[in-house]
Amino acid sequence: DQQVKQNSPSLSVQEGRISILNCDYTNSMFDYFLWYKKYPAEGPTFLISISSIKDKNEDGRFTVFLNKSAKHLSLHIVPSQPGDSAVYFCAGDNAGNMLTFGGGTRLMVKP
Amino acid sequence: KAGVTQTPRYLIKTRGQQVTLSCSPISGHRSVSWYQQTPGQGLQFLFEYFSETQRNKGNFPGRFSGRQFSNSRSEMNVSTLELGDSALYLCASSPRTGGNSPLHFGNGTRLTVT
Repeated sequence: DQQVKQNSPSLSVQEGRISILNCDYTNSMFDYFLWYKKYPAEGPTFLISISSIKDKNEDGRFTVFLNKSAKHLSLHIVPSQPGDSAVYFCAGDNAGNMLTFGGGTRLMVKP
Repeated sequence: KAGVTQTPRYLIKTRGQQVTLSCSPISGHRSVSWYQQTPGQGLQFLFEYFSETQRNKGNFPGRFSGRQFSNSRSEMNVSTLELGDSALYLCASSPRTGGNSPLHFGNGTRLTVT
């Protein structure tokens, strides 16, 4: 039972353009959603989060949108930079620090 | 501020043995969580400790256990190792428990069971 799904295993974007990473969930009890970025041989790094009572949160080049009726969230990166190339994980949190992760999307930003 | 430190970085063990992994959280962080990452199952929650008490436990067999010390450092133990236990084990710390407190991950311990 995959409660959090990232259906695109990979995404390729040109530098300077927008990257849109998508995530779907089935558990309506998630209170928060988080996005993490992971480079090889390193642990995940927190990027941005959103409360389930909001529909948008922005932090610099990163914006997360939440559509509760569709049980869908997305991460927008504008403009994309080569250093953004990494694996991105979305996660839901319904019990405090007990995250359910999606399978990840590998983003490649081409110069 | 030093990040989350996990030791050792790499470990090779034989089936049937046991292993202990260590995690030092960011100073001042009282919550420590453990996650397992495998190619097949992705990132999965193992357990969370806060103030030396286990708060949550994931869907793993009893061979997986952990503890937290009074200085918030944590250890996890896996007994009777199986080949399927080969994975990257990640520790994460947070100032508090209860949600909306982003986890800060260490770089993990890669365990190989032969």
